[in-house]
Amino acid sequence: AQSVTQLGSHVSVSEGALVLLRCNYSSSVPPYLFWYVQYPNQGLQLLLKYTTGATLVKGINGFEAEFKKSETSFHLTKPSAHMSDAAEYFCAVSVTAGKSTFGDGTTLTVKP
Amino acid sequence: EAGVVQSPRYKIIEKKQPVAFWCNPISGHNTLYWYLQNLGQGPELLIRYENEEAVDDSQLPKDRFSAERLKGVDSTLKIQPAELGDSAVYLCASSQAGTTNTGELFFGEGSRLTVL
Repeated sequence: AQSVTQLGSHVSVSEGALVLLRCNYSSSVPPYLFWYVQYPNQGLQLLLKYTTGATLVKGINGFEAEFKKSETSFHLTKPSAHMSDAAEYFCAVSVTAGKSTFGDGTTLTVKP
Repeated sequence: EAGVVQSPRYKIIEKKQPVAFWCNPISGHNTLYWYLQNLGQGPELLIRYENEEAVDDSQLPKDRFSAERLKGVDSTLKIQPAELGDSAVYLCASSQAGTTNTGELFFGEGSRLTVL
């Protein structure tokens, strides 16, 4: 069985500060890993994904994530937060095409 | 290219009434999903279709929930009768099938259900 744990349901940063959203997963086989963003009253939109190859993955809007197998982590970072980054972020794991398991999400607040 | 389209966006009903949600996936996406998203939680899979076949409906409460995907394109999710605990957002997603499927999902904007 696969599972995802997102540490911190709420994260608050100042505009221009580093964003770090934590995700740990559990999987018995090499997983595919995803970060999605959800703006208010909208569906989820893919930020980035790790399938195979390079462990540092770059996504849209300046976000990136690093797959660390030894730590079973896939933390999401952005060097400098922008007001428009305020949203809910979901980490997801998939070990079989069609079966994605989502974390409970982290709400990011960006203070001016 | 059009994304995943869902309707209605919002629905308010009284308990014990029926409700239906409709989803049109991205053209060419053979796999279609219905997810349930409760407040403050991540999406949870209700049912997955490969073309018109429901290949994973283990989490669908079959006593009151039903779904169909006639002709392998559009899909409808129905609840009858609705209960207070069904208040949530119902998300539809689609993805490519076969070897091109890395698990990436394309979501619609969701249908928010409020049961009074």
